[in-house]
Amino acid sequence: QQQVKQSPQSLIVQKGGISIINCAYENTAFDYFPWYQQFPGKGPALLIAIRPDVSEKKEGRFTISFNKSAKQFSLHIMDSQPGDSATYFCAATPGGTDKLIFGTGTRLQVFP
Amino acid sequence: DAGVIQSPRHEVTEMGQEVTLRCKPISGHDYLFWYRQTMMRGLELLIYFNNNVPIDDSGMPEDRFSAKMPNASFSTLKIQPSEPRDSAVYFCASSLSRRDTQYFGPGTRLTVL
Repeated sequence: QQQVKQSPQSLIVQKGGISIINCAYENTAFDYFPWYQQFPGKGPALLIAIRPDVSEKKEGRFTISFNKSAKQFSLHIMDSQPGDSATYFCAATPGGTDKLIFGTGTRLQVFP
Repeated sequence: DAGVIQSPRHEVTEMGQEVTLRCKPISGHDYLFWYRQTMMRGLELLIYFNNNVPIDDSGMPEDRFSAKMPNASFSTLKIQPSEPRDSAVYFCASSLSRRDTQYFGPGTRLTVL
């Protein structure tokens, strides 16, 4: 019940295209859903986050879509750029805790 | 601020040796987290502290692992004795308050031969 399942494992997108990464969870007690971006040799960094009372959140080219009934959430990167090439992790926080349960990660490569 | 500081950045040791990883959180942050990252298991939370007190250590793999936070500006993760399966990148992260953004350090790459 504490897992977050992420797909795809890897993604190749052409510059200017849309990158979509999906995550699903089973524990309905999760109440905070951040996405982290990690470049090689660096620690993860928060990209964008959403709470379950909102169905969508947009920050620049990055959008989180959240489907509470389906227990799924996704990251959309519009107009993908080579600089977006990184590994992306979805995560979720169980209610009443401060923990982050991470998905398995998606390696995104954006080619010019 | 310099961000979360971890040392050493790389550690190579032999099986059976004691390893100590160090972390300095961002000043003023009340929460400190230790994670382990491997290809097989991804990013796993090992333990986290609030105001220097361990809150949840359910992710600590076994008794060989221990973590301390003697004051607000320093934490250690110790592995004794180390084993090859402990080879991983260990991250420390801190956050200002509950449910706030976690800021990760650059990590310590541990190799146990």
